[in-house]
Order: sequence, then C-alpha cells, then structure tokens
Amino acid sequence: GNSVTQMEGPVTLSEEAFLTINCTYTATGYPSLFWYVQYPGEGLQLLLKATKADDKGSNKGFEATYRKETTSFHLEKGSVQVSDSAVYFCALTAWGSQGNLIFGKGTKLSVKP
Amino acid sequence: GAVVSQHPSWVICKSGTSVKIECRSLDFQATTMFWYRQFPKQSLMLMATSNEGSKATYEQGVEKDKFLINHASLTLSTLTVTSAHPEDSSFYICSATAYNSPLHFGNGTRLTVT
Repeated sequence: GNSVTQMEGPVTLSEEAFLTINCTYTATGYPSLFWYVQYPGEGLQLLLKATKADDKGSNKGFEATYRKETTSFHLEKGSVQVSDSAVYFCALTAWGSQGNLIFGKGTKLSVKP
Repeated sequence: GAVVSQHPSWVICKSGTSVKIECRSLDFQATTMFWYRQFPKQSLMLMATSNEGSKATYEQGVEKDKFLINHASLTLSTLTVTSAHPEDSSFYICSATAYNSPLHFGNGTRLTVT
C-alpha cells in the first residue's frame, strides 16, 4: 500500500541554519507529493507540491524535488527563520484522488533566534 | 483567500454523549469535504469523504454508525461522534475543495472524552 515516512522530530535549529527534513514514500503508480505546514494555532496549509518525477516544488524559500529513483521528496531551506517554526507534514495522493492524502507523522521544527 | 472554519476548536464531553463538529467553507462552495483523524505523534488518517447531497464514503475500519457525517450544503459538513468513549479522544480535521481547486484545511478540533 501507499505510505509516507518522514524523519522524526523535533528539530531545533538556530536562525539562518540550513534545514533538511527527509521524506520517503512507497506508492503504486505515479503519486503526487506534497509538503504541508501547520503553524501554531492554525490549520494545515499547502507549502509546496510536485506532480511528477524530477519536478521541483518551491515556496517561501523552501524546496523539494520529486526523486522517483530514491522515492524521496526531502524538504530543504537554505536559511531558516524563527517564523518557520511549525510542524511539517509530507504527504502523497494516488493519481486521481486529491483528498485521499496519505500523511507522514509530521516533523516539528523549532527555530531559535 | 479561501478559508475553512472548523468549530469548536476543542471540546470535552462525558463518555456516552454525542459531539458534533462543524466544518464550513467561508468563501467558496465546497463540493467535497474530507474528515481526518490524528492520534498523538501519528499521521493524519482519512476517515471519510463527503460529497454534497450524497452519503459519505468511509475508509476501511471507520465505523459509519459511530462517526456520522452530513454534508447538507455546499458550505457545511458536520461530523457527529455518537456515544463517545475515551478512545475516541483525538484531533479531528476537515478539509474542503471545489472541483479542480486546491484543498483547504480547517484548524482542527481537539476532542477529549472523559
């Protein structure tokens, strides 16, 4: 079946540090891949997505590349800010099923000034 | 932008009672709404898919008689946890979409059953 595995947190970084949150997946066919972010007290928000192999999703300085050969979609940011503190979820959907998101367990990021 | 409002944000109820959670799309008509459940330190798990005007489609292992879902209008879906028990304590999240539109999430509801 389809599944998503992401690195366990919490992750604590200093401001301007480099961020990587690993995400690997198992899926049949050609899934779409997503990163969602949940800021404190708010709902989930789509951060970025990629719908096919080698696509790079990017938003707010975050990037992730859909790697079919390694079944990975690692989230990266070159210089994190305190405002990036949140919980990050990697997710996938099988083709044709937008709402049936399969989520990873989430990784809590805390950025210290 | 589009906003999904979920209410209440937290609720405490006694075992055996029922609790209703509302999910509203505030500035768009949601043809489809989804309900998820999240256990502590676990992934969000899809419980059911709700299309306006039709019966919800439940995921395997989700008791439809316990988790009643109603999607009576294009802006409102409700999840009722019937005869709640402590093991139903969890974080429930809804999301909504219109055809070919992005998925928008509510802020979630923390349910505690005592």
